[in-house]
Amino acid sequence: DAGVTQSPTHLIKTRGQHVTLRCSPISGHKSVSWYQQVLGQGPQFIFQYYEKEERGRGNFPDRFSARQFPNYSSELNVNALLLGDSALYLCASSHDQLAASTDTQYFGPGTRLTVL
Amino acid sequence: QQQVKQSPQSLIVQKGGISIINCAYENTAFDYFPWYQQFPGKGPALLIAIRPDVSEKKEGRFTISFNKSAKQFSLHIMDSQPGDSATYFCAASIFWGSQGNLIFGKGTKLSVKP
Repeated sequence: DAGVTQSPTHLIKTRGQHVTLRCSPISGHKSVSWYQQVLGQGPQFIFQYYEKEERGRGNFPDRFSARQFPNYSSELNVNALLLGDSALYLCASSHDQLAASTDTQYFGPGTRLTVL
Repeated sequence: QQQVKQSPQSLIVQKGGISIINCAYENTAFDYFPWYQQFPGKGPALLIAIRPDVSEKKEGRFTISFNKSAKQFSLHIMDSQPGDSATYFCAASIFWGSQGNLIFGKGTKLSVKP
């Protein structure tokens, strides 16, 4: 089975621009979460979506938004990019929002965003 | 209360030795504690996880020890191998929570010398 896939792999933007990152979850997984990983730090939670609804949001500004589509894929959008937004953006999928006993968050390889 | 503190920041171990990474948390509502392994250029991969109803869980060379009263948990890698060289993250979450988001430590970079 294919794992979580993310696109693009790398992205270079300039300050003030907008970026859209994409994620396809593991087949059968209905929950998608987004994390930001700054170099040398652990991932930080941005959003969780389940069945196309936002179920959780981390401490990130309104410049960050996301959505989940009927096929459970997801997009993360960041407006008005700042230098500090440079990071690895990770998408994780899990089967069920309520984290059943067999539920685990599986991470994709990430999108490396560089803001110049 | 949402922090997970991880130590050490980096660790060098000889092949065959034991690697020990420690984490501490404050939020007593946390009840799910996974460890993730991350190689350069890859996303984190679940290594092993524990819930606080047990004090220890072992899977192959990897063992989690959990001390609920001290609010601490640790990862032990027995017979460490060069292929174990990676960054390890502890995390915590509320297992049956409405959000299911993971709170990660800052990571430990493990180098296993041949």
